[in-house]
Amino acid sequence: AQSVSQHNHHVILSEAASLELGCNYSYGGTVNLFWYVQYPGQHLQLLLKYFSGDPLVKGIKGFEAEFIKSKFSFNLRKPSVQWSDTAEYFCAVNAGPGGGADGLTFGKGTHLIIQP
Amino acid sequence: DAGVTQSPTHLIKTRGQHVTLRCSPISGHKSVSWYQQVLGQGPQFIFQYYEKEERGRGNFPDRFSARQFPNYSSELNVNALLLGDSALYLCASSLEEGYGDEKLFFGSGTQLSVL
Repeated sequence: AQSVSQHNHHVILSEAASLELGCNYSYGGTVNLFWYVQYPGQHLQLLLKYFSGDPLVKGIKGFEAEFIKSKFSFNLRKPSVQWSDTAEYFCAVNAGPGGGADGLTFGKGTHLIIQP
Repeated sequence: DAGVTQSPTHLIKTRGQHVTLRCSPISGHKSVSWYQQVLGQGPQFIFQYYEKEERGRGNFPDRFSARQFPNYSSELNVNALLLGDSALYLCASSLEEGYGDEKLFFGSGTQLSVL
């Protein structure tokens, strides 16, 4: 079974600061990796995903994540955050290919607050 | 286009009762998944349905069951409710049952409180 660990449960940054949210997973096989975001009052939505190819993936709103297989990591980054990035961020994994039926395994989430 | 819709939005039940939660996927989406999110935790996978068949099941007791209808909508049923079943229940839809890399579209959830 997979598991996901998000190192920071609460992060507070000022606008224009750089962001890196840690995510490590445990699974020995091929994986699909995701970051989902939940803005205040909204539903969960996909930020970006990795399933193969270039380990550096770019998502919406200027976010990117790097898959480092040797470290079992998929950290989320953004060079300059905005107040509107305040949200809950979830890292998730499933076994791929064909792992969709097993559902996503989510981390506990990181609550990010951006101060103006 | 309408997103994933779930009903009801809030529900209060007492221990031992039964509950049915409903989900309508995005038009054209054939796969529906259910997740349980306890306060302070990430969502936990309960079921996936595709073309009315159960394709995956998480580590939940048999008190939890689900089904998918010909119009691809879905119901999640929980019998003999326990206090620990209090959670936000999320439904997610996707176009197909693929290789696991497909994007999930989540609804806003049903907040279940068991007293």
